[in-house]
Amino acid sequence: AQRVTQPEKLLSVFKGAPVELKCNYSYSGSPELFWYVQYSRQRLQLLLRHISRESIKGFTADLNKGETSFHLKKPFAQEEDSAMYYCALSLSGAGSYQLTFGKGTKLSVIP
Amino acid sequence: GAGVSQSPSNKVTEKGKDVELRCDPISGHTALYWYRQSLGQGLEFLIYFQGNSAPDKSGLPSDRFSAERTGGSVSTLTIQRTQQEDSAVYLCASSRDTGNQPQHFGDGTRLSIL
Repeated sequence: AQRVTQPEKLLSVFKGAPVELKCNYSYSGSPELFWYVQYSRQRLQLLLRHISRESIKGFTADLNKGETSFHLKKPFAQEEDSAMYYCALSLSGAGSYQLTFGKGTKLSVIP
Repeated sequence: GAGVSQSPSNKVTEKGKDVELRCDPISGHTALYWYRQSLGQGLEFLIYFQGNSAPDKSGLPSDRFSAERTGGSVSTLTIQRTQQEDSAVYLCASSRDTGNQPQHFGDGTRLSIL
């Protein structure tokens, strides 16, 4: 069965420092990977998708099939990046609606 | 509109009672999803409605859980004979197109079973 692992429950970084939120997955096929974010007192929202190869709010994520990872990175953290981040996986060909989520990492950016 | 709306925001009930959770998706969105999040866990897929097609119920944990979507809009998730392990935040989401990942989530219903 597919699984998503986010090894860090909490990650604290100083403002301006680089950020890397780790995500590893286990799935034998070709998955689609996503990052979702939930800011304080706001709703969960889609941040980015690996197939779009986009940069959102300065964040990027590259799918590394060899290491089965999809780490979320930002070169310079901002205070407004503090939030809960969830990595999610969907099975290729199965429709992206049935996502498997990791348990999340709480990012705290220290001013 | 104002986004995905869920009610109630909080529900406390006794074990064994039935509960009904409501989701009002964004107008015009054909795809509707139910997920739940137990304490310290990631989101767990429950059910997916895709337009007029039969829903994918493969994530429902037991036959005590059911959901319907009337008129392609509002959805209700019903849990019969609630158990303490049903305590969780139940999240609804909608998307404009079917077959895609959930994009717009509601605030959720926090369900507590005593």
